[in-house]
This record gives sequence, structure tokens and C-alpha cells, in this order.
Amino acid sequence: DGGITQSPKYLFRKEGQNVTLSCEQNLNHDAMYWYRQDPGQGLRLIYYSQIVNDFQKGDIAEGYSVSREKKESFPLTVTSAQKNPTAFYLCASSIIQGTGELFFGEGSRLTVL
Amino acid sequence: AQSVTQPDIHITVSEGASLELRCNYSYGATPYLFWYVQSPGQGLQLLLKYFSGDTLVQGIKGFEAEFKRSQSSFNLRKPSVHWSDAAEYFCAVGLYQKVTFGTGTKLQVIP
Repeated sequence: DGGITQSPKYLFRKEGQNVTLSCEQNLNHDAMYWYRQDPGQGLRLIYYSQIVNDFQKGDIAEGYSVSREKKESFPLTVTSAQKNPTAFYLCASSIIQGTGELFFGEGSRLTVL
Repeated sequence: AQSVTQPDIHITVSEGASLELRCNYSYGATPYLFWYVQSPGQGLQLLLKYFSGDTLVQGIKGFEAEFKRSQSSFNLRKPSVHWSDAAEYFCAVGLYQKVTFGTGTKLQVIP
């Protein structure tokens, strides 16, 4: 079955460490996204990519980095510069970028100890 | 600025009762409109979408939504709620290649 796979589902990090969250899709979608979810704040866009080797900052990109070397993969690195990284992170993809019709992964919960 | 408002943070309904979740948007033009559902600790799943045409749209799991241009609203409805509908519901709008989510409404279903 086609879908989006995020790993790991749970991740613990010490302050000052970088961590990378994996996102892989086999839907053959061009556009991919990373969202951050905090209680009561909905979803906020971190980065998005419309095509391989190209990506754009979203609303809250500071302290995060991404790459898009393959169409199927869009990993997110949470760097030590992110001041409040504890959150639930969601990866999504879409056939056409920007319409809002998104397919989501199961999410990764990052906790900073 | 574009905005999406879900005025109800929590809603509690009895199983078998009807449900309406509210969503209002503030945009200069009619955007694409969506409702998503999220179970605890899971990703979001698309319930239904409105792009154009008939203003009453049907979705999965027995949900429907009505687009009202005059009220800038896209409310989600279900005639009879099941215990398995307990989840968080997000309204989203897409316009000019930007997608904005509301802050969500948590639905509790009591026996």
C-alpha cells in the first residue's frame, strides 16, 4: 500500500544535540512538507519542497534544516539552535503543492531531556 | 492576513446525537477547504474537501460539510455520532499555494 513512513515514532534528545527525523513516501508525490504540532496551536509549517533539490522555508524554519535528494525522501534535522524542540512532527505529501489536500505520516514525537 | 478559526476547543456529544463543528476563514477569495481528523498520537486523515461546485460535500465515515460563502464558513456535520468518532478535527484552507490549519476541535463522545 502507498503511504508515508516516518521514523522514529518516539525520539529523546539531550539538549545541544542535533536529531534527524526520517520521512519516506511511495505515493510518487512531488510536494512534501514538514509540520510541527503543539497542543492548542494546530499545525505550523516548517519547510516544504516542490521538487527534488529544492525546498522553501515555512513559517517556523529557524532551528531546522531539510534536504530533498530523492523524490521519495524528505528528512528533517532539528538542530541545537531550535530553542523549544519538544513537539510532535508530521510529514506530509501532496500531488499538487499548495491546494491543501495532504497525505500525512503517523508522526514523530521528539522529547528533549 | 489569512486566518482559519475553529471557535470550539472541546465539544462533548452523546453517542447517537448529531454533531456540528464550526470553521470560519478570513480570505480575500474563496480558498480550497478541507476537514481532517486526527486520532491521539497519529497523523491526520482527510475527511472531505471542497474545491468548487456543489456547496454540500460528502466525505468518509458519514461526515458532510457545507460551504457558505456569505458566512465564510465550512462547518462539518454528522447526523449520528459513534464512539469511534472521538478524535481531534482540523479545518484547513488552501490558497495561493499556502495551506493554513485551524487550531482544532477535540470531540469527546459519551455513552
